[in-house]
Amino acid sequence: GAVVSQHPSWVICKSGTSVKIECRSLDFQATTMFWYRQFPKQSLMLMATSNEGSKATYEQGVEKDKFLINHASLTLSTLTVTSAHPEDSSFYICSARYTGSQETQYFGPGTRLLVL
Amino acid sequence: GDSVTQMEGPVTLSEEACLTINCTYTATGYPSLFWYVQYPGEGLQLLLKATKADDKGSNKGFEATYRKETTSFHLEKGSVQVSDSAVYFCALSVPGKLIFGQGTELSVKP
Repeated sequence: GAVVSQHPSWVICKSGTSVKIECRSLDFQATTMFWYRQFPKQSLMLMATSNEGSKATYEQGVEKDKFLINHASLTLSTLTVTSAHPEDSSFYICSARYTGSQETQYFGPGTRLLVL
Repeated sequence: GDSVTQMEGPVTLSEEACLTINCTYTATGYPSLFWYVQYPGEGLQLLLKATKADDKGSNKGFEATYRKETTSFHLEKGSVQVSDSAVYFCALSVPGKLIFGQGTELSVKP
């Protein structure tokens, strides 16, 4: 149980284009989803927290107009990287938490983005 | 502020060796503590957790004990396997989110 999927797992795009990454909780309802960014050989950096039906809360230093987050349902959150640039290339990981799981987050497999 | 510090890697061990990855934390209140494992090219998987002082989390031969007096949550395994090669992250919970350590890469050689 508590499986989280991400799509796509790999994406390569041209500079200036937008990329959408989906995060789905497959067997539970995720009241809260988190988006992280991970650089090679580094820890996870929390980008934003999203609660179903409300606006995402962004961490300090994360551009909300650059990284659009939508949590439209209890099983789906999307991260859109707008006008992507090479410096946005990274590994993006989502996680989800369901009501009653308190602090435990269940992580997706990650999406590797390469911007050319 | 709240933070997690892990021993630096990479850690290289031979198969069947003993493993200890140190983790210490700074936190207000009484957070829950976690170990997550990340295999190459994958997301994070919850390995074990402990929610209060003196709790021991265990899974797949790994153990960690929540030590409030030393603010530590060291990860241990008595006999590692090649398949344990991965990056291990210690984390603590604060209201609404997790704070991760920098990760420790473990490489186990046959």
